[in-house]
Amino acid sequence: DQQVKQNSPSLSVQEGRISILNCDYTNSMFDYFLWYKKYPAEGPTFLISISSIKDKNEDGRFTVFLNKSAKHLSLHIVPSQPGDSAVYFCAASGGGDMRFGAGTRLTVKP
Amino acid sequence: DTEVTQTPKHLVMGMTNKKSLKCEQHMGHRAMYWYKQKAKKPPELMFVYSYEKLSINESVPSRFSPECPNSSLLNLHLHALQPEDSALYLCASSQRDSGGYTFGSGTRLTVV
Repeated sequence: DQQVKQNSPSLSVQEGRISILNCDYTNSMFDYFLWYKKYPAEGPTFLISISSIKDKNEDGRFTVFLNKSAKHLSLHIVPSQPGDSAVYFCAASGGGDMRFGAGTRLTVKP
Repeated sequence: DTEVTQTPKHLVMGMTNKKSLKCEQHMGHRAMYWYKQKAKKPPELMFVYSYEKLSINESVPSRFSPECPNSSLLNLHLHALQPEDSALYLCASSQRDSGGYTFGSGTRLTVV
């Protein structure tokens, strides 16, 4: 039962353009949402999060949007840089549990 | 100290061996987690400890045995593992039940 879904396994964008990564969830108990960035053979690195009481959170080039009615969140990276190339995992937490999406591999081309 | 430290970083063990993975954090977090990650897959939750008590066990086989000796330490005892248990084992901690989680770098386990 996939409670958190990232339907795009990969995304390729040009340097300087916007990257938009999407995530959907099914469990209404989730009240906190996170994005992690992961390089091979390393643990996930926390990027940005958003509480269910908000619909937007911005940190530098990274913005997360939450649409609770649609159970959908997205991560915007503007402008995208080659160093942003990695796998991005969406995660949803609540009640002491956290579940990850399958990940989206972002490639930013110079 | 804002890190979660996992040891060892790499471990190769036979199917009859007994070994332990260790995780340590000194951020005062009261929730600690074990995740298993296979290649090109998302991390899968195994165990959750909240205030040193096991709160979630995701139907993990008994050959994996977690232990939380105190609020800073989390161990995962391994016994009679199978080759399919080879994976990256990640420890994480958080301040409360939800919110930002801090992950360790993981232990790359290979069962031969």
